[in-house]
Amino acid sequence: DQQVKQNSPSLSVQEGRISILNCDYTNSMFDYFLWYKKYPAEGPTFLISISSIKDKNEDGRFTVFLNKSAKHLSLHIVPSQPGDSAVYFCAASGRSTNAGKSTFGDGTTLTVKP
Amino acid sequence: EAQVTQNPRYLITVTGKKLTVTCSQNMNHEYMSWYRQDPGLGLRQIYYSMNVEVTDKGDVPEGYKVSRKEKRNFPLILESPSPNQTSLYFCASSLRETNQPQHFGDGTRLSIL
Repeated sequence: DQQVKQNSPSLSVQEGRISILNCDYTNSMFDYFLWYKKYPAEGPTFLISISSIKDKNEDGRFTVFLNKSAKHLSLHIVPSQPGDSAVYFCAASGRSTNAGKSTFGDGTTLTVKP
Repeated sequence: EAQVTQNPRYLITVTGKKLTVTCSQNMNHEYMSWYRQDPGLGLRQIYYSMNVEVTDKGDVPEGYKVSRKEKRNFPLILESPSPNQTSLYFCASSLRETNQPQHFGDGTRLSIL
């Protein structure tokens, strides 16, 4: 049973427009969510995170929204730039149980066209 | 420079020949973890360590061993590798637990023939 799902394997947007990447989860014990970006031949790098006590976190062009009732989070990138083209992973963890466990989605490949 | 270093980066080997992938971090992080990534799939956690001498299983621990004798090192051991362990492996570390952002190595691509 996949506890973190990214249902869109790929997304293509025009430079300057908004990119919206989505992530759904099933485990209500998750209380911390992170987004990572991955370029080819490199390891993932941390992008932005959100605690379950919040519904929004913003960092420059990146905003993460959390809807706990729907068990859904999304990453908004505005404006999108060609350098944002990468694979984006959503990850979830729970402090109250198995604090060391980390569950990742399958990733969404974002392509930003100039 | 803060980093997580994995070695080797690439390895082709044969079934049954024991191998070790090393992982070292220079950030004095308590938490370290190993993941594997297969085509079309996300990162699946193999083992993690909350601190020295404390390790625990992730979601896919079968066929792997780890040890954490020192804070900076967290080697992944395949005692008897099999073809289904052909994968891309990532080591990661964070200050404490997974609520902190993890820093990842650049990956080790293992091919088991």
